[in-house]
Amino acid sequence: QVQLVESGGAVVQPGGSLRLSCGASGFSFPNSGMFWVRQAPGKGLEWVAFIRFDGSNKYSAGSVKGRFTVSRDNSKNTLYLQMHSLRVEDTAVYYCAKRGGGLVHYYIDVWGKGTTVTVSS
Amino acid sequence: EIIMTQSPATLSVSPGERATLSCRASQSVRSNLAWYQQKPGQAPRLIIYAATTRATGVPGRFSGSGSGTEFTLTIGPLQSEDFAVYYCQQYNDWPPFTFGPGTKVDTK
Repeated sequence: QVQLVESGGAVVQPGGSLRLSCGASGFSFPNSGMFWVRQAPGKGLEWVAFIRFDGSNKYSAGSVKGRFTVSRDNSKNTLYLQMHSLRVEDTAVYYCAKRGGGLVHYYIDVWGKGTTVTVSS
Repeated sequence: EIIMTQSPATLSVSPGERATLSCRASQSVRSNLAWYQQKPGQAPRLIIYAATTRATGVPGRFSGSGSGTEFTLTIGPLQSEDFAVYYCQQYNDWPPFTFGPGTKVDTK
């Protein structure tokens, strides 16, 4: 079945770095755009980053621009989120998610279970 | 940036009744709108995309309507498993992709 499994979440000090990974299975990962979405404790959903199927274009939210970088390795069916200069406000569950909708739409049709990032001294 | 708002913040409904949730966009998103359901401790789940299309496996008691700036998610009759938080998301004009703040549907 279609599955996304995130890993790499940890407790890190402010200013630190972390790399999240997301392993994909059950669908054609090389043909799928992918998202990172986060959710701070008790808060709503916030889009973090999107990468096209071939990695040709990457987009990130203003709150993380210049600090976070999304990338992918289609040979390994894996999505990454490299995070630098982490702030307390980056504390959240980070979800890896798959784009639905073929060539037209950009909704999310599959979500991973999430990995928790805590930024604290 | 398109701002999404949802109302009400909390909706108290009895099982078997109908729930009507609203989502508004700060400018037209045409029909490029999705609804997600999230239960405590779980990842979100796609319910509706393209404003009115139910996702695979979603029961017929869920229906979406609207276009432009005004959207509605109707759930009814409510089952116990439907009590959750519901988010709308626009994907018409991006980046950024933007979500509404959510509506919590709880038991009256």
